[in-house]
Amino acid sequence: GDSVTQMEGPVTLSEEAFLTINCTYTATGYPSLFWYVQYPGEGLQLLLKATKADDKGSNKGFEATYRKETTSFHLEKGSVQVSDSAVYFCALSDRTNAGKSTFGDGTTLTVKP
Amino acid sequence: NAGVTQTPKFQVLKTGQSMTLQCAQDMNHEYMSWYRQDPGMGLRLIHYSVGAGITDQGEVPNGYNVSRSTTEDFPLRLLSAAPSQTSVYFCASSYLQGSTDTQYFGPGTRLTVL
Repeated sequence: GDSVTQMEGPVTLSEEAFLTINCTYTATGYPSLFWYVQYPGEGLQLLLKATKADDKGSNKGFEATYRKETTSFHLEKGSVQVSDSAVYFCALSDRTNAGKSTFGDGTTLTVKP
Repeated sequence: NAGVTQTPKFQVLKTGQSMTLQCAQDMNHEYMSWYRQDPGMGLRLIHYSVGAGITDQGEVPNGYNVSRSTTEDFPLRLLSAAPSQTSVYFCASSYLQGSTDTQYFGPGTRLTVL
């Protein structure tokens, strides 16, 4: 079956540091890839997505590129802020599995001033 | 739009009690799902629905029932609560845009079973 593997956390950075959270996947089809963010006490919300190879999703300074050859979708941000502290989930879904996305275990990011 | 709403936000049950977690969406999405979130385990799919009247099991369905009589509502029933069901429960809805299915999540229900 499909699976998503994220780098283990937690990750602690100082403000303005560079962020990378690794994500790799295995899928039988041609999935869309997602990053969701969960702030404390809240549900998940979409951060960015990419639907085909070499697409780059971006939002709020975060970026991730769909790399089919390495089955990866790593999340990056050039300069993190304290407000970026949250749990980040990598996920995939495809047309045949609509309504049942596959999620990674999540990576907790803490940014210190 | 209210999006995806869930009630209650918090619940404490005793072992053996039953209850229903409510979920509603006002976006006319055809797909709805229930996940549970446990520390270090990401989100695990409990049950999902591809439309009114159609439901199916996910990864961890034991101890839970669902039904979908309308497009808007997708309640999750705990039949006889057990401490292993202590978790945070998220409802999500989605629709297909091309081949892409983006999920919209509710705020969650934090359940403790004593």
